[in-house]
Amino acid sequence: GQSLEQPSEVTAVEGAIVQINCTYQTSGFYGLSWYQQHDGGAPTFLSYNALDGLEETGRFSSFLSRSDSYGYLLLQELQMKDSASYFCVPPQDQAGTALIFGKGTTLSVSS
Amino acid sequence: DADVTQTPRNRITKTGKRIMLECSQTKGHDRMYWYRQDPGLGLRLIYYSFDVKDINKGEISDGYSVSRQAQAKFSLSLESAIPNQTALYFCATSSWGETTSTDTQYFGPGTRLTVL
Repeated sequence: GQSLEQPSEVTAVEGAIVQINCTYQTSGFYGLSWYQQHDGGAPTFLSYNALDGLEETGRFSSFLSRSDSYGYLLLQELQMKDSASYFCVPPQDQAGTALIFGKGTTLSVSS
Repeated sequence: DADVTQTPRNRITKTGKRIMLECSQTKGHDRMYWYRQDPGLGLRLIYYSFDVKDINKGEISDGYSVSRQAQAKFSLSLESAIPNQTALYFCATSSWGETTSTDTQYFGPGTRLTVL
């Protein structure tokens, strides 16, 4: 089976840097995904780490360490519009099973 | 036009009524999913289908049923709705390995269901 842990809430101010950590337990060998969901909206795909290391896309970066079953999402130069829920989606046990989303982390950015 | 559509977008119904939520997609994906979202509980998987002849239960399938009428259509039914099924329901689609070596999922706009 799968289990994952990420903080339920994080608060920060505009311009700051925030790191949302994710630890998981799974026997899967695929990568780690992150999704963003604004209040009232649908989740949208943010990033995917197929391999260990850091992936950077603009202000957002995502990191994966398979050996530690750990990843994080790094958001830089925070903006108000980054206020949203962020879901860490751990590796599937196998290609024939569905992704598990969990409870997510609610990020609140204030001015 | 949206790639994944859900109808209705909002629905209020009474306890004991049968209700169907519909999902259609134009992405050509073979995999489709139904999730429900409740405050503080994140996204929980109800049912999923990896092709037209494949239906699988998710973590919270009790009280729900699904039908995969075609590759592009996946409907969720509540045979006898109860108040604790009040939630936001999302349909999603994916195609393994389309852009990454995983199931990148594309969500519909959601259906807000209230059971009185």
